[in-house]
Amino acid sequence: SQKIEQNSEALNIQEGKTATLTCNYTNYSPAYLQWYRQDPGRGPVFLLLIRENEKEKRKERLKVTFDTTLKQSLFHITASQPADSATYLCALDMAGGFKTIFGAGTRLFVKA
Amino acid sequence: DGGITQSPKYLFRKEGQNVTLSCEQNLNHDAMYWYRQDPGQGLRLIYYSQIVNDFQKGDIAEGYSVSREKKESFPLTVTSAQKNPTAFYLCASTDYPLEQPQHFGDGTRLSIL
Repeated sequence: SQKIEQNSEALNIQEGKTATLTCNYTNYSPAYLQWYRQDPGRGPVFLLLIRENEKEKRKERLKVTFDTTLKQSLFHITASQPADSATYLCALDMAGGFKTIFGAGTRLFVKA
Repeated sequence: DGGITQSPKYLFRKEGQNVTLSCEQNLNHDAMYWYRQDPGQGLRLIYYSQIVNDFQKGDIAEGYSVSREKKESFPLTVTSAQKNPTAFYLCASTDYPLEQPQHFGDGTRLSIL
């Protein structure tokens, strides 16, 4: 069956450290992958999109990698801050498709 | 500022009642979506619409209905046939070509009285 998995356990890190979140998928061949941030009681907000032919994408303190062989994406936040505390969602899109498949998200807590 | 507005923020449904959740966007996007979010689960697609007067069922359409009479509006009705409607409902839109991120509203939390 098709699955997209994110670590269901919350990730707790100290301010200033790098947070690394994992997204694994099985039985999908996504054309691109997206990461969103969601705060409690709010809708998700888009962060980064990476295509299947891209290995890495960066935006300010954020970095995403996409390994289609391992079927995995890693999402990094460098120099993390308490304001980065939120749930981060991974999402897959197939080529030409209108449906985006979302993971359940990983909760990140950054302690001052 | 362009964006998506969902209303109400909180909604309560009585047994046997239909309720309608509003979603309006001023982004001029063609495609709109409704998702349901439950604790510990990913967003699940209820319905989506690629263009005015057209919509398709998503993965969990049973007990829900939608309409798309205007480009900017995509209301969702939760009918009495939906036996477990308590959830956080999210509306989103996106533009063409595809490979565009989805823009989300801030959701409606629906509970049973």
